[in-house]
This record gives sequence, structure tokens and C-alpha cells, in this order.
Amino acid sequence: AQSVTQPDIHITVSEGASLELRCNYSYGATPYLFWYVQSPGQGLQLLLKYFSGDTLVQGIKGFEAEFKRSQSSFNLRKPSVHWSDAAEYFCAVGAGNAGNMLTFGGGTRLMVKP
Amino acid sequence: DTGVSQDPRHKITKRGQNVTFRCDPISEHNRLYWYRQTLGQGPEFLTYFQNEAQLEKSRLLSDRFSAERPKGSFSTLEIQRTEQGDSAMYLCASSTGTSKNIQYFGAGTRLSVL
Repeated sequence: AQSVTQPDIHITVSEGASLELRCNYSYGATPYLFWYVQSPGQGLQLLLKYFSGDTLVQGIKGFEAEFKRSQSSFNLRKPSVHWSDAAEYFCAVGAGNAGNMLTFGGGTRLMVKP
Repeated sequence: DTGVSQDPRHKITKRGQNVTFRCDPISEHNRLYWYRQTLGQGPEFLTYFQNEAQLEKSRLLSDRFSAERPKGSFSTLEIQRTEQGDSAMYLCASSTGTSKNIQYFGAGTRLSVL
């Protein structure tokens, strides 16, 4: 069964600083990988996805992520954080079976200092 | 697309009561998923439908939970004899059901069992 680990529960960065959120997955085959963002009391918004091909994927709001098979990682990055990026971020893996249900990590809460 | 719509947004109930939530997926999305998210955790898969057929159920879905999608459009999730442990955010997602399956989430229904 697949699993996702987000080692950092909370991260605080200053506005304008760079950001990297870590995600490690466990899955036997090539995974489908996703990053979602959730603002308080809201649902999940898709930031970006990886299915195959180029291991560096671009998403919305200036985010990118890099798939590294050798490290079983899919870390999310942003070169310059804005105060509006404060939210909870979830990494997820989708199994390649017919259901493609998602398995989520526990999330990383990002706080942005002015 | 109007997005995935969930109703109600918030529900407060007393232990032992039955509750029902509704999800309207993005039109023409033939897959519909239910997830549960407890405080401070990532969403956990509950069940999914391909059109009107319920194809997968998590072991998290006890006998008190039932989900339907009678005409392959909207879905309902009912919890009978609610318990305090049922307090959570219930998220609905829909997708086109293609092999590279991107799920779009609603804003969720927050259930509080007193």
C-alpha cells in the first residue's frame, strides 16, 4: 500500500524568502504525485501534479516541484514566498489502479512572517 | 464549470442523531470520491463511485456510514447514530475518470457531534 510522509508539521518563513516543503512517498510503481493547498475552513486546491516525463513540474502561484525517484521524494518549492501563501500544504500519491484514490501526507502548515 | 459543491458547509448534531451530506460534482465528471479529514491530519479516502456504481469502500467506512449516487450525478453520505469520533471535515472530490486522474475538491462539510 502506498504512503506519504511530510516530515515538517510546521514551517515559518519570512515574506520574500525561499521555501521548500518536503514530501516522501512509498509506492511500488511509478506514482502519480500531487500537491494541494488548503486555506482554513476550505477545501483543497490543486497546485501541481506529476505523472511522467520532465521531473521538474510547474504549478500555479509560482510553485514548482521536483520528482526524484532515487530519493522517493517530491518536494515543493517557491523562490519567494508571499504572505498569502500561508496555508496548509498536502502532498498526495495516486495509485495507478482503476480507482486512483489519493493517499495524503499529514500536511505542513506554512506561516509567513512579515 | 461551477466546481464541486457541498451542502451543508457546517453541521452540528447531537450524538445518536443521523446526518446526511450532499455533494454535487463538476458536471460530466463520472467519478466521485468521499474523504474524511480530522483536525491536523490529511484527508483519508472513504469511498468512490464510477457513475452510479460504488466501486471501493475503505475499512474506515463503518456500517453506520452509507453513500449513494443514485443517478450518477450528485451523491449523498449518511451517517447513522453519530458518535463524537465522527466529528471531522467530510470532503467530496470529482474527476473525469481517465487514467491520469485529477481530483477536484469541494469546500467540505464540517461535522461537529456534541
